[in-house]
Amino acid sequence: EDQVTQSPEALRLQEGESSSLNCSYTVSGLRGLFWYRQDPGKGPEFLFTLYSAGEEKEKERLKATLTKKESFLHITAPKPEDSATYLCAVQFDRGSTLGRLYFGRGTQLTVWP
Amino acid sequence: DARVTQTPRDKVTEMGQEVTMRCQPILGHNTVFWYRQTMMQGLELLAYFRNRAPLDDSGMPKDRFSAEMPDATLATLKIQPSEPRDSAVYFCASAADGALNTEAFFGQGTRLTVV
Repeated sequence: EDQVTQSPEALRLQEGESSSLNCSYTVSGLRGLFWYRQDPGKGPEFLFTLYSAGEEKEKERLKATLTKKESFLHITAPKPEDSATYLCAVQFDRGSTLGRLYFGRGTQLTVWP
Repeated sequence: DARVTQTPRDKVTEMGQEVTMRCQPILGHNTVFWYRQTMMQGLELLAYFRNRAPLDDSGMPKDRFSAEMPDATLATLKIQPSEPRDSAVYFCASAADGALNTEAFFGQGTRLTVV
């Protein structure tokens, strides 16, 4: 059973067309939610960490928000260089597995000119 | 420029051969993760260590996979014998302190092909 679900699986946007990616999780006791960007042939690159509902983080055209059961990654006026797979990971408050990251399957974003 | 270093970047091997992948975590980081990424499964956690001690290796096939940290600057993942289904990209990541929610930084991965 997936504990972290990302949607949509793939998203195609025209340059300048803003949109949002979703990450939802099913287990209680969230310690942290992380957003990563992965380019083809490379390792995931850290973007944001969110710890509590209501928190927001911004970086250039990206803004991440967190509610009690999901997070959104908003992309404002995207450019072709924003094309990548965006991964969400969560860390739960669970004894011996403390520190373990659970990843979603990612959203593959393509921005065309 | 602190980063996680993985070697080799690419490895092609024949079925049945031993494969060793190496990872140098960021200096000072005490938590190391090994992940496997495939198109079908996405990122799967194989094992992770804190202060060189294994905390969770439930994601690893124990009969053929082994993970160790001989010292704080080196983590290894071995597959013996390798099988075609092991073909994937293997990532190592390190964190300053996984228990305190600090983000994990990934290496560039080792692309393994078993023929």
